[in-house]
Amino acid sequence: EADIYQTPRYLVIGTGKKITLECSQTMGHDKMYWYQQDPGMELHLIHYSYGVNSTEKGDLSSESTVSRIRTEHFPLTLESARPSHTSQYLCASSDKATDWADTQYFGPGTRLTVL
Amino acid sequence: KNEVEQSPQNLTAQEGEFITINCSYSVGISALHWLQQHPGGGIVSLFMLSSGKKKHGRLIATINIQEKHSSLHITASHPRDSAVYICAVREGAQKLVFGQGTRLTINP
Repeated sequence: EADIYQTPRYLVIGTGKKITLECSQTMGHDKMYWYQQDPGMELHLIHYSYGVNSTEKGDLSSESTVSRIRTEHFPLTLESARPSHTSQYLCASSDKATDWADTQYFGPGTRLTVL
Repeated sequence: KNEVEQSPQNLTAQEGEFITINCSYSVGISALHWLQQHPGGGIVSLFMLSSGKKKHGRLIATINIQEKHSSLHITASHPRDSAVYICAVREGAQKLVFGQGTRLTINP
């Protein structure tokens, strides 16, 4: 079982609120990822990080931001939530050095609803 | 041997050609994803499949669960389709295993 955790698991908030979704892993992985996925739909990579102080946008249309100050922690922030942000957010990590040919381990996800 | 194998690793074709990229996997999966990464790094999710076939514009993805094989097709290819195409398979809830990618170049 992967040691990667996300909090909260469920969040319902009003429009305009600032929120931070937490993701932590205890496997010492350098690479971490945030994905967005609606039920039955494609998986969208929105941010990734190859190590401390390294962050990159995946899907360039994402309105969220991330930080990577510690290896084990990769929080995602929405400055002003909107109903269009309603989705499931999945955090993942991996320890491979290459870009692909990789195995990523996922957290349980945060289901966000913005009213 | 990787759990997910893509072929070819590199593909160069002329504009207008029909393109096929293959993905074979060796494990039981709950879903298969096709992703596209353009030069400059933007990564776009193209398809998620658990059975059958899906079509978006000129892109078609098929999966054969019994044969553990998926194909991504591009009809009437265009230079803007030049990118790395990545196959990834979902094993249960917690693992996503990526292929090594196929670098596609479409020449005008």
